[in-house]
Amino acid sequence: EAQVTQNPRYLITVTGKKLTVTCSQNMNHEYMSWYRQDPGLGLRQIYYSMNVEVTDKGDVPEGYKVSRKEKRNFPLILESPSPNQTSLYFCASSSGGGLDEQYFGPGTRLTVT
Amino acid sequence: AQTVTQSQPEMSVQEAETVTLSCTYDTSESNYYLFWYKQPPSRQMILVIRQEAYKQQNATENRFSVNFQKAAKSFSLKISDSQLGDTAMYFCAFMTWSNFGNEKLTFGTGTRLTIIP
Repeated sequence: EAQVTQNPRYLITVTGKKLTVTCSQNMNHEYMSWYRQDPGLGLRQIYYSMNVEVTDKGDVPEGYKVSRKEKRNFPLILESPSPNQTSLYFCASSSGGGLDEQYFGPGTRLTVT
Repeated sequence: AQTVTQSQPEMSVQEAETVTLSCTYDTSESNYYLFWYKQPPSRQMILVIRQEAYKQQNATENRFSVNFQKAAKSFSLKISDSQLGDTAMYFCAFMTWSNFGNEKLTFGTGTRLTIIP
């Protein structure tokens, strides 16, 4: 089954404690990205990657890091989480070409206290 | 910068009725794509329908159709014969891509739709 998986699905952590949210896709997609969803703001892009070792900032990259060492994986790293990073996070992937559907993961609910 | 506006934060409609969700966008690009996504309580993002800006014909997918008015930069979603399973948050989204190939989706703030039995 074609899918994007994220782990963990839920996470409660404390300010400053480094964490990683994993994202993996099994569709051999070149393009992957991370979004965060906040009430009243919709979804906003954090980072994206067009291929292995090619990543760039989206609209709200502050406080986040990413890496793309393998085509299937695109982890999101919060080196020192803060309460304003409490949000719902989505990973997405597509094969590219514009109209091709972006497949979204199930979401990760992160709470930083 | 591209923006997407959904002016209806919440809507409700009786089951089996037709409902239209509004979306307007702003862009200087000539080539772009438009999407409607559904987010049920499970939080999963589900693609409902998509439209290519260079196509004048409005897209349809079963009970879902769009009214795409390029000059007015409007992209509304019509749901016919609404069902209880249509209850969800609906997001309008816009895609263009930079010279570096970022297929970024710009989302509106969403419309929470409730289908009343």
